[in-house]
Amino acid sequence: NAGVTQTPKFRILKIGQSMTLQCTQDMNHNYMYWYRQDPGMGLKLIYYSVGAGITDKGEVPNGYNVSRSTTEDFPLRLELAAPSQTSVYFCASSYGSRNRPNQETQYFGPGTRLLVL
Amino acid sequence: DQQVKQNSPSLSVQEGRISILNCDYTNSMFDYFLWYKKYPAEGPTFLISISSIKDKNEDGRFTVFLNKSAKHLSLHIVPSQPGDSAVYFCAASVEGSQGNLIFGKGTKLSVKP
Repeated sequence: NAGVTQTPKFRILKIGQSMTLQCTQDMNHNYMYWYRQDPGMGLKLIYYSVGAGITDKGEVPNGYNVSRSTTEDFPLRLELAAPSQTSVYFCASSYGSRNRPNQETQYFGPGTRLLVL
Repeated sequence: DQQVKQNSPSLSVQEGRISILNCDYTNSMFDYFLWYKKYPAEGPTFLISISSIKDKNEDGRFTVFLNKSAKHLSLHIVPSQPGDSAVYFCAASVEGSQGNLIFGKGTKLSVKP
C-alpha cells in the first residue's frame, strides 16, 4: 500500500492563479481531510469528507473548494490564489468507524508546499 | 484563541535521558488526545493516543499521561534516542465529531548523542 499520496510536492503560483492539489489514498478509508500548516504553527483543518459525495467545512475553508467523487480521491481546489494561502498542505485519511470516528488514527500524506507570489 | 497549547517551542535532551513534552488544552469537550511526530519534508505520523477515560497509556518507550482536572497531558520518551529528534504535535478531538483534529503548534525535540 502506498498510503496517502499527494501531488505536486511543490508549486509556485502567481496571485490570482488557480490550481488543484491532488490527494489519493489506497487504504479504502471513508474519511479524508485537508489541513494546512503555516510556519511555526500547528495544522488547521480546511475541509473534510466522511464519504464519497459528502464534504464539509473545517476551521479555515475560505478560498478553497473540495469534491469527493470517489472513495480514493479528495482534491483541493484554490480558485484565486492569494499570498495568505502560502502554506504546506497535508491530506489525511482515516477508516472512520460509525461508532467513534474522532478516535480513529489519521494517516497523513507527505504534503504539498505552495508558494503564492 | 488556541484550544491546544504547546508552550515550549523546543527541547534539547541528551541521548539516554528522559524527554518530557507538555501540552495544555482549554476545551473540556475534548475526549481524545493524540501525539504526532513529524520529520522535515514529511507528513505527521501517529505516535500514541489516550482517551479521556484513562490517565496513562504506554507503548514501548513512549508514555502519555493525562490530567483532566488540570487539562494537561504530557509525552514521556524513555530512553531518548537521536532518531527521536523531530517536531512533536499534540492534538485533540471532540467527542462526537468526525475526527476534526485541533493541533498545538508543536515542540521541536533535539536528542544529542
